[in-house]
Amino acid sequence: GAVVSQHPSWVICKSGTSVKIECRSLDFQATTMFWYRQFPKQSLMLMATSNEGSKATYEQGVEKDKFLINHASLTLSTLTVTSAHPEDSSFYICSARDRDRLNSNQPQHFGDGTRLSIL
Amino acid sequence: AQSVTQLDSHVSVSEGTPVLLRCNYSSSYSPSLFWYVQHPNKGLQLLLKYTSAATLVKGINGFEAEFKKSETSFHLTKPSAHMSDAAEYFCVVSDRRSGNTGKLIFGQGTTLQVKP
Repeated sequence: GAVVSQHPSWVICKSGTSVKIECRSLDFQATTMFWYRQFPKQSLMLMATSNEGSKATYEQGVEKDKFLINHASLTLSTLTVTSAHPEDSSFYICSARDRDRLNSNQPQHFGDGTRLSIL
Repeated sequence: AQSVTQLDSHVSVSEGTPVLLRCNYSSSYSPSLFWYVQHPNKGLQLLLKYTSAATLVKGINGFEAEFKKSETSFHLTKPSAHMSDAAEYFCVVSDRRSGNTGKLIFGQGTTLQVKP
């Protein structure tokens, strides 16, 4: 089945550090990937839609300069949390859609998430 | 506008008893509906999906869901709960307005507790 690999799974760093999270589709190509944020005991909140070869589309209230997204290839999207602070601590999850099965009936395939803790 | 409401934030059952997780949706279009499961500190795994074919959808791990248009519901069921079913469950609708971007709209989630 379709596999999405997310790395790292855990990261702890000091305040002010920039952190990069990778999302890879392992056995399919993805023109579109999604980045979500999840707070404890809450649902997923869509942050942005990552489009291969073009700028990401951010949801209202998400700072573009804070959460940099790059989707340079059909199998890789990265999310960089710039100058991270404790309030950025959260669980970040990516998902991807198979570009050869692009219709709304096809589900997104999710990575295992990244637990980010800013000290 | 499309939306999803999961009617129970927490459901507790005993092992071996039936599971019912309730979900109602609102959509101006014929919806695509999904149920995902999330185990602690993990991503989401697809349990099943409804895509306007059969209204009774069978998924993995013995789960199934029935699409009822008249009730705008898509409840998830399982005849006999297993300890490994304890997790967070999300009912999800695909935002048809967004064309092929496939943006998802999530319910708030239901925590399933399974007691021995």
